[in-house]
Amino acid sequence: GAVVSQHPSWVICKSGTSVKIECRSLDFQATTMFWYRQFPKQSLMLMATSNEGSKATYEQGVEKDKFLINHASLTLSTLTVTSAHPEDSSFYICSATKRGLAGGREQYFGPGTRLTVT
Amino acid sequence: SQKIEQNSEALNIQEGKTATLTCNYTNYSPAYLQWYRQDPGRGPVFLLLIRENEKEKRKERLKVTFDTTLKQSLFHITASQPADSATYLCALPNYGGSQGNLIFGKGTKLSVKP
Repeated sequence: GAVVSQHPSWVICKSGTSVKIECRSLDFQATTMFWYRQFPKQSLMLMATSNEGSKATYEQGVEKDKFLINHASLTLSTLTVTSAHPEDSSFYICSATKRGLAGGREQYFGPGTRLTVT
Repeated sequence: SQKIEQNSEALNIQEGKTATLTCNYTNYSPAYLQWYRQDPGRGPVFLLLIRENEKEKRKERLKVTFDTTLKQSLFHITASQPADSATYLCALPNYGGSQGNLIFGKGTKLSVKP
């Protein structure tokens, strides 16, 4: 299988605080991990691409100082939303691709984290 | 820039019928195309990948076609069941972006009525 977990599954925080979301590949080593954000009735919007041991690549319009990504190992990536504001409230989803998989690039998604900033 | 369109926001069909979802793209020639299923409040689940040199691919009750001339993929669910109700996303590789990342369509929400 290819199971990806996320923790927490939901979190409520106060405006101005920081929140860390963990993404783990449980039964495989991930070449690359991706972080997405999804607003209601919208598609997945890629925020950043992360490889183990190197700096994340952020998509245009995503503030790297606000959304800190740390890819500490081949099975763990974290996203920290710093100084969160109500407009950061969204559904954050990570995904991973398998190491050594040639050809297609199917992604294995975590269950998502619902962030609400009050 | 690369664009993906899933023309129908929603599709309602009767149980037992075949559901057909459409994905169109413009401004590039992808080497492959993928389909995912997403349930409410959950992350997407990978269903099928079809390469540019494959016309059709099947997996159980699912069938995907890929017409590189029309720049279109069709996703079929035969003998549909209420459990097939979900949002289905098509995805294409983002050649302008980092390694392996995808661009997703907005999805089509399928409702199968008993």
